[in-house]
Amino acid sequence: KAGVTQTPRYLIKTRGQQVTLSCSPISGHRSVSWYQQTPGQGLQFLFEYFSETQRNKGNFPGRFSGRQFSNSRSEMNVSTLELGDSALYLCASSVSMGYTEAFFGQGTRLTVV
Amino acid sequence: AQSVTQLGSHVSVSEGALVLLRCNYSSSVPPYLFWYVQYPNQGLQLLLKYTSAATLVKGINGFEAEFKKSETSFHLTKPSAHMSDAAEYFCAVTGATGGGNKLTFGTGTQLKVEL
Repeated sequence: KAGVTQTPRYLIKTRGQQVTLSCSPISGHRSVSWYQQTPGQGLQFLFEYFSETQRNKGNFPGRFSGRQFSNSRSEMNVSTLELGDSALYLCASSVSMGYTEAFFGQGTRLTVV
Repeated sequence: AQSVTQLGSHVSVSEGALVLLRCNYSSSVPPYLFWYVQYPNQGLQLLLKYTSAATLVKGINGFEAEFKKSETSFHLTKPSAHMSDAAEYFCAVTGATGGGNKLTFGTGTQLKVEL
């Protein structure tokens, strides 16, 4: 069974640009969550999607957005990139809502220059 | 609000020695607790989870954790460390209202295993 797939693995963007990251969950999983990991702030929750609807949102500015498609694949978008957005972005998939365990992808390393 | 506190950002043990990584939680509702491991440039791998079925939870790679409500703790242990255990370990809690899977993570403990 394939795991969570995140693309691309590495990305370099210029300040002010926008970026889209992709996440394909484990087959049969319907919940997808996104996290940002930085040395200073650690692991922080961005948002969670289930059945194409955002169910939960972390404390991030509106520049961070996401969506989920009918096949449960998810994308997150960051507009007007700032240097502080440089981070490892992790996607996690779960079978459903309700405190089920989360399986993580290998992440996308975003560097903003 | 839920939170977890990991005591000790760096822990160093000798190969073959006991591993003890500490985690204390704060939650106004019965928590679901997890331990994850992260190797360099990798995602997070689930080691074990507590979901109120049993207080002593066994996970992968010989790790286990005990849920102690009286101490609000969920410490991770392994009887004998191996070089391959060197990694960063994260304790996490969920149980937010609304039934979501949002995880709140601790700050992590970097485990070093020495010969």
